[in-house]
Amino acid sequence: AQSVTQPDIHITVSEGASLELRCNYSYGATPYLFWYVQSPGQGLQLLLKYFSGDTLVQGIKGFEAEFKRSQSSFNLRKPSVHWSDAAEYFCAVGPLGAGSYQLTFGKGTKLSVIP
Amino acid sequence: DTGVSQDPRHKITKRGQNVTFRCDPISEHNRLYWYRQTLGQGPEFLTYFQNEAQLEKSRLLSDRFSAERPKGSFSTLEIQRTEQGDSAMYLCASSVQGADNSPLHFGNGTRLTVT
Repeated sequence: AQSVTQPDIHITVSEGASLELRCNYSYGATPYLFWYVQSPGQGLQLLLKYFSGDTLVQGIKGFEAEFKRSQSSFNLRKPSVHWSDAAEYFCAVGPLGAGSYQLTFGKGTKLSVIP
Repeated sequence: DTGVSQDPRHKITKRGQNVTFRCDPISEHNRLYWYRQTLGQGPEFLTYFQNEAQLEKSRLLSDRFSAERPKGSFSTLEIQRTEQGDSAMYLCASSVQGADNSPLHFGNGTRLTVT
């Protein structure tokens, strides 16, 4: 079964500081990996995705993520955090198999930004 | 692209009552998904439609839950005889058929509170 671990429940950074959110996955084949962001009371917005090719992927809002197969990781980074980045971030892996389109999400990392 | 629309945004009901939620996907998306998100957790897959056909159901979807997508456009999720454990955010998402790498686009969810 596939699974996603986000080791950090809550991270606080100062505005302008760099950010790295960790994600480790367990998956039997080549994974499709995603990062989503969720503001309070809202749905999820896709930040970026990885399917194949270049292991460093660029997303919206200045975010990037690096796929490291040897470490089963897909960490999200941003060089300089803005106050508006405060939200909850979810890493997800999928699909489970041919014909299945389930995404398995981690439990999320809540990001707080200090002005 | 008006995005995925869900109605209502909030629903408060008494235990034992039935509730129904509606999801309108992005118009050209023929795949539709329902997820459930409880406090402090990531979204969990409930069910998936391709056009009007319900192709997958999670074991989380008990007999009290039923989802339909009669004309392959909007979908409804009904919960019968609600229980307090059903309190959660119910998220709908849609995507395009044809590419395994088509990401899910989420709505803002319906927050259900069972008292």
